Amino acid sequence: GEDVEQSLFLSVREGDSSVINCTYTDSSSTYLYWYKQEPGAGLQLLTYIFSNMDMKQDQRLTVLLNKKDKHLSLRIADTQTGDSAIYFCAVPYTSGTYKYIFGTGTRLKVLA
Amino acid sequence: EPEVTQTPSHQVTQMGQEVILRCVPISNHLYFYWYRQILGQKVEFLVSFYNNEISEKSEIFDDQFSVERPDGSNFTLKIRSTKLEDSAMYFCASSAVAGPYNEQFFGPGTRLTVL
Repeated sequence: GEDVEQSLFLSVREGDSSVINCTYTDSSSTYLYWYKQEPGAGLQLLTYIFSNMDMKQDQRLTVLLNKKDKHLSLRIADTQTGDSAIYFCAVPYTSGTYKYIFGTGTRLKVLA
Repeated sequence: EPEVTQTPSHQVTQMGQEVILRCVPISNHLYFYWYRQILGQKVEFLVSFYNNEISEKSEIFDDQFSVERPDGSNFTLKIRSTKLEDSAMYFCASSAVAGPYNEQFFGPGTRLTVL
């Protein structure tokens, strides 16, 4: 079945760039998503990328997709303390009905 | 902006009790989902629902779980006899259609604590 993997922790200094990585196994996904979860809160859609794109930029966020290697990354420029959260990569999976398979989540800690 | 809402935000129950978690999907959406996140673990798919019936359920969704759309707006998840291991955050989601071109919108979640 589908599997989505992420590293568990990332710590950066305020003002630096953060790069969160995700690898997945199913290559049929047409959109891939990044969600943010702040402590005690729900899942907030951060950004997404269409599978025929290599890169998408949205203000401080840059999503890179390497479809050949099945590797997705999220770069946050000028990371702020408010960016401290868990970031989930979500890959739609179409075996049976359409559902999301989530990665383990990467806990980003921003140090002042 | 339309959003998915869930109630309650936090539910505490005794083991063996029944709980009902409620969701109000976005009004013109037709597909509904429940996901669960045990503390510190992945968000896992539980069940999808369309046209008043379950489309797919995961291995987690056993006979203790059921879903219902009792009226035109609510979508509920019932756990018949809760176990300690049911303690988790439960997320409801909805989408306009099923398929890769439509996003699932998630609610804020209900934190279920089973004592």
